[in-house]
Amino acid sequence: AQTVTQSQPEMSVQEAETVTLSCTYDTSESDYYLFWYKQPPSRQMILVIRQEAYKQQNATENRFSVNFQKAAKSFSLKISDSQLGDAAMYFCAYRVRDSNYQLIWGAGTKLIIKP
Amino acid sequence: DAGVTQSPTHLIKTRGQQVTLRCSPISGHKSVSWYQQVLGQGPQFIFQYYEKEERGRGNFPDRFSARQFPNYSSELNVNALLLGDSALYLCASSPTGQGLVGGYTFGSGTRLTVV
Repeated sequence: AQTVTQSQPEMSVQEAETVTLSCTYDTSESDYYLFWYKQPPSRQMILVIRQEAYKQQNATENRFSVNFQKAAKSFSLKISDSQLGDAAMYFCAYRVRDSNYQLIWGAGTKLIIKP
Repeated sequence: DAGVTQSPTHLIKTRGQQVTLRCSPISGHKSVSWYQQVLGQGPQFIFQYYEKEERGRGNFPDRFSARQFPNYSSELNVNALLLGDSALYLCASSPTGQGLVGGYTFGSGTRLTVV
């Protein structure tokens, strides 16, 4: 079965510092996508960053970057220069490339930013 | 352009009742997916529709049904409501059935409370 695990229910970081959120997944597929979504109190899921499994280079989007370790089935999110607006629930999600249309989600990590 | 629109934003129903939730995708998007997010958990896939046909169904009972209209809007129906159906119901749209590498855009959800 395909599963996504986020082992940190809550993380806190001082404003302007760096924080890393962890995600592991289990799959027998070789071609898939991984995502980090942010869910603020407005409830809307917002895509933060995505990684295609066949790409060895780690994805980067401004202050957000990932550490993708395919063999270890690990996909962590690093947020640099944390800002108050980064406070939200962060969800890791997975989708098989072609044959499956659904996103499989972790339970989420609540990120608290301390001013 | 308007984003994904869901209605209503909140509603309260009594056990045993039926409820209909509505979703309007982004203009030009032909695929709609529905997810259930119970408080404190990640979303769970319910349905995906593309070009008015069901493309995927999650592990939900037959009390859950959906349809997509010619204008690509969608309705999710839940019959014989149970307390456990209380959740945030998220709708996501994408241009095609495969979401273009995570190209899902989410609405802000409908918060359903069953009492």
